[in-house]
Amino acid sequence: EAGVAQSPRYKIIEKRQSVAFWCNPISGHATLYWYQQILGQGPKLLIQFQNNGVVDDSQLPKDRFSAERLKGVDSTLKIQPAKLEDSAVYLCASSLDLKLNEQFFGPGTRLTVL
Amino acid sequence: GQNIDQPTEMTATEGAIVQINCTYQTSGFNGLFWYQQHAGEAPTFLSYNVLDGLEEKGRFSSFLSRSKGYSYLLLKELQMKDSASYLCAVRDYGGSQGNLIFGKGTKLSVKP
Repeated sequence: EAGVAQSPRYKIIEKRQSVAFWCNPISGHATLYWYQQILGQGPKLLIQFQNNGVVDDSQLPKDRFSAERLKGVDSTLKIQPAKLEDSAVYLCASSLDLKLNEQFFGPGTRLTVL
Repeated sequence: GQNIDQPTEMTATEGAIVQINCTYQTSGFNGLFWYQQHAGEAPTFLSYNVLDGLEEKGRFSSFLSRSKGYSYLLLKELQMKDSASYLCAVRDYGGSQGNLIFGKGTKLSVKP
């Protein structure tokens, strides 16, 4: 079974630039999550989708971050414009459904903002 | 507020047993998870507790006491490959289902 795919794996940009990350969840997984993991901390949920609908985006900085999952499969997360404090690993995870226990994580995209 | 506490770092010897503690205060509770994260890699699921007691899975066991807001992960017969960060996470239904709140992680170093 293929895992959660993410690209790119690494990205370096300057502040005020824009960047986009892509995630393809495990086939058949209805729930998709984007997390931000700053060095030395645990992952923090940014946004959660159930199929193509948003379940929770309460911690998403909506002035600069946006995410979509238009067809209920793959998803993109965008930052525009980026700030220095956005430097982090962005993890995508998926699960079969909202109520099931295990979330499967992708390898992450390491973003460095200079 | 939401708070999950675990030690920042621990060191143990190959072949030994180590216990990593986690305490939590969350507005809701519907399960506690332990994840393993090797440096530069994604977290991988280790265990899940929703009822009080001990769950055993091979060399790893996880314990939960809901009344105390406390869990621990027990690793037996430590191996060098167990050197990693261990993340405690609570599913807090609150206003959304399936939302995990993670602690900062405990970095475990296994020495020969």
